[in-house]
Amino acid sequence: NAGVTQTPKFRILKIGQSMTLQCTQDMNHNYMYWYRQDPGMGLKLIYYSVGAGITDKGEVPNGYNVSRSTTEDFPLRLELAAPSQTSVYFCASSYTGLHEQYFGPGTRLTVT
Amino acid sequence: GENVEQHPSTLSVQEGDSAVIKCTYSDSASNYFPWYKQELGKRPQLIIDIRSNVGEKKDQRIAVTLNKTAKHFSLHITETQPEDSAVYFCAASRTPGGKLIFGQGTELSVKP
Repeated sequence: NAGVTQTPKFRILKIGQSMTLQCTQDMNHNYMYWYRQDPGMGLKLIYYSVGAGITDKGEVPNGYNVSRSTTEDFPLRLELAAPSQTSVYFCASSYTGLHEQYFGPGTRLTVT
Repeated sequence: GENVEQHPSTLSVQEGDSAVIKCTYSDSASNYFPWYKQELGKRPQLIIDIRSNVGEKKDQRIAVTLNKTAKHFSLHITETQPEDSAVYFCAASRTPGGKLIFGQGTELSVKP
């Protein structure tokens, strides 16, 4: 199993541009999550999903959108990039609400 | 809102000494408390977790204690080694796999 994979690894965006961060898991996990980690800080939950077709907001959802059309994929969309969205983004998944979360390798995003 | 406070923010110990990191949480409904280790530039990885029906859990050199009355939990690392150097995050949620609220992190440095 590849586990949780994310693309791209790095990206530089100009203010106002949009992009989609991809996340895929091959562990047949129902729950998937998006976190952001600012330098020297903990992780903050952006959005999460408990199954295909179901998504919900986390702590810091403003400026982002998600969709969950399949069990495997959970893309994160930035519509109008702002410098405040410069961060490392981690996707994670878990089998159910009673299992640990596994993290992907992260996407380092810079908005200038 | 839900909050997790983690202390200290940095901790430096000599190899072989013990290290203790403490967290307090605000949501009294929290019942799952994982600890993650994050090496520089890497993804967070679960090292140990504890559920609210248990007061203490140990795995080799790592132990976690939980005091639900005080809403406080701690990570204990004994016989520290240089490879224990990393940032450690505590987190809390209402169920494993649910919305994790992370602490700010503790940068542990183990000096040979």
